[in-house]
Amino acid sequence: DADVTQTPRNRITKTGKRIMLECSQTKGHDRMYWYRQDPGLGLRLIYYSFDVKDINKGEISDGYSVSRQAQAKFSLSLESAIPNQTALYFCATSDSDRNPFRGYTFGSGTRLTVV
Amino acid sequence: AQKVTQAQTEISVVEKEDVTLDCVYETRDTTYYLFWYKQPPSGELVFLIRRNSFDEQNEISGRYSWNFQKSTSSFNFTITASQVVDSAVYFCALSEETGGANSKLTFGKGITLSVRP
Repeated sequence: DADVTQTPRNRITKTGKRIMLECSQTKGHDRMYWYRQDPGLGLRLIYYSFDVKDINKGEISDGYSVSRQAQAKFSLSLESAIPNQTALYFCATSDSDRNPFRGYTFGSGTRLTVV
Repeated sequence: AQKVTQAQTEISVVEKEDVTLDCVYETRDTTYYLFWYKQPPSGELVFLIRRNSFDEQNEISGRYSWNFQKSTSSFNFTITASQVVDSAVYFCALSEETGGANSKLTFGKGITLSVRP
């Protein structure tokens, strides 16, 4: 099983629908992140969470919300999807322990299309 | 604020050519981490290397090598004798040590490498 699992892998949804992307991890990491990738723009941070009670906005949080249900689970919601949110979404985790820092673990991505 | 610039957007080479992918970063922190990731057409992110700011030794892994120069804030990636399987999007990324909001990973916009047979 993958260390970081994203579901669904692919999703097509209609404009205006609510959709949730889920991320679960078995790494035991306390930090979790949601990124969005658009061609030519790289990966941009949507939201991040350093523990269950800590949620922070990233650089492009408008139109998104998140929920950290447990240390291992971090969900991203689009309350009312729009075509502009068509993108590849990645969940990532990291450990707060930086001695040594072991880097980030990424999920396989969720390809979302809003029609 | 931390920033990563990958000025090259697309590079096309013929197989067996050497190719260098450039990465320039900005940070106010003295301790930070630099990364390179590969994204093949299948879409997943493949971790290639992590380097901390105190380790300026260049690294070689098979056909891959990395040149870290703090004086020019650059962390360039060279593929020697490129192969078609190297065709992918390559991302450079930076994470600062100070923790808090700055411990997030900031990506460059990526470089699309095409290796032709």
